[in-house]
Amino acid sequence: ETGVTQSPTHLIKTRGQQVTLRCSSQSGHNTVSWYQQALGQGPQFIFQYYREEENGRGNFPPRFSGLQFPNYSSELNVNALELDDSALYLCASSFWTSGDDIQYFGAGTRLSVL
Amino acid sequence: DAKTTQPPSMDCAEGRAANLPCNHSTISGNEYVYWYRQIHSQGPQYIIHGLKNNETNEMASLIITEDRKSSTLILPHATLRDTAVYYCIVDPGGFKTIFGAGTRLFVKA
Repeated sequence: ETGVTQSPTHLIKTRGQQVTLRCSSQSGHNTVSWYQQALGQGPQFIFQYYREEENGRGNFPPRFSGLQFPNYSSELNVNALELDDSALYLCASSFWTSGDDIQYFGAGTRLSVL
Repeated sequence: DAKTTQPPSMDCAEGRAANLPCNHSTISGNEYVYWYRQIHSQGPQYIIHGLKNNETNEMASLIITEDRKSSTLILPHATLRDTAVYYCIVDPGGFKTIFGAGTRLFVKA
């Protein structure tokens, strides 16, 4: 158990719809990162939030957006869903320092786009 | 692109040591070597990390070469529950982490 919880666990949407995924960070953590993992591949970094501000972004289009709240919980929003957005979405929380941060991952949300 | 190279798969007999290699020849001075594993359909789990020195914890040992261009994760007594994908990552500390394809370890009875 990492103390990072994600909801929902599974989700089915149709192409063109919008989706919101939620993550509750481990207590005391101030940073959250989101990843997309396609079947058979390693997780791909989407973006990171530190103290409610986006702190870095991977190679994902603007229709992927996020929020981090004062209690350090977080949301990932995806607009105009495409079939290729079908994947496992992972969030990871950490306590950012200037050095060796350890990321604690949730179990993920599996999104299917039909 | 991932900064590490790992074999796609390895086998290990239950009870024996599993030695998982990783090459990271372009590692920068401020980058740590992290190992995570992912058991089927779960989120990745942190195992161990290090900068220059060898490290050991209750799960594993990490051996980093003196030039820091490669490392080995050692699971001293592998069990069936250690069957997973193991990711070696170099990272300045949890920022824009790049995962490669990892090594799929099969532990066999």
